[in-house]
Amino acid sequence: GAVVSQHPSWVICKSGTSVKIECRSLDFQATTMFWYRQFPKQSLMLMATSNEGSKATYEQGVEKDKFLINHASLTLSTLTVTSAHPEDSSFYICSARDGGEADTQYFGPGTRLTVL
Amino acid sequence: GQNIDQPTEMTATEGAIVQINCTYQTSGFNGLFWYQQHAGEAPTFLSYNVLDGLEEKGRFSSFLSRSKGYSYLLLKELQMKDSASYLCAVLDSNYQLIWGAGTKLIIKP
Repeated sequence: GAVVSQHPSWVICKSGTSVKIECRSLDFQATTMFWYRQFPKQSLMLMATSNEGSKATYEQGVEKDKFLINHASLTLSTLTVTSAHPEDSSFYICSARDGGEADTQYFGPGTRLTVL
Repeated sequence: GQNIDQPTEMTATEGAIVQINCTYQTSGFNGLFWYQQHAGEAPTFLSYNVLDGLEEKGRFSSFLSRSKGYSYLLLKELQMKDSASYLCAVLDSNYQLIWGAGTKLIIKP
């Protein structure tokens, strides 16, 4: 069964609004969570690495003030897309690294964001 | 429930051929992805199959049988740089990705 969940699965919002996406590890504590963005039939683009209790590390070209990441607990990380625009429409995928097995990374089912 | 199965680890020799299998049971099917992931890096897209059959792309080929809930990734002329994890993922009826746990491929000289 799934070990990483995301909520919501789908979201449609108006341009200028903010959207929060949750990523939860269900069966383990995740010291590190990753946020990706995926365009159709393309590789996952890493946006940021989130460590519990500290600030996220953003990849070059990703606006940290636009994509707010909070990793408040060992089982929850949130990505907030602020002032969303149509170009932010995409498939956002999170993953969580099992702290007990550093090389095991579990991926979430993704959240499809459509900005009108 | 939804489930994707793939071997945890495989070992192959440089220059050889290896086939990584993936079986799935999902609520609907809107395509199957294969990704390659090197340690510490983001997954790289390899293939997307939505129709039955074999799709070849250079040294990598991917096969799909929807009736059997089965896919495989075939890697030819293995190179040391092919050592990585290979992830199988299915897009279900709600367009949610169901991920396999990944197959760690070890290439030996």
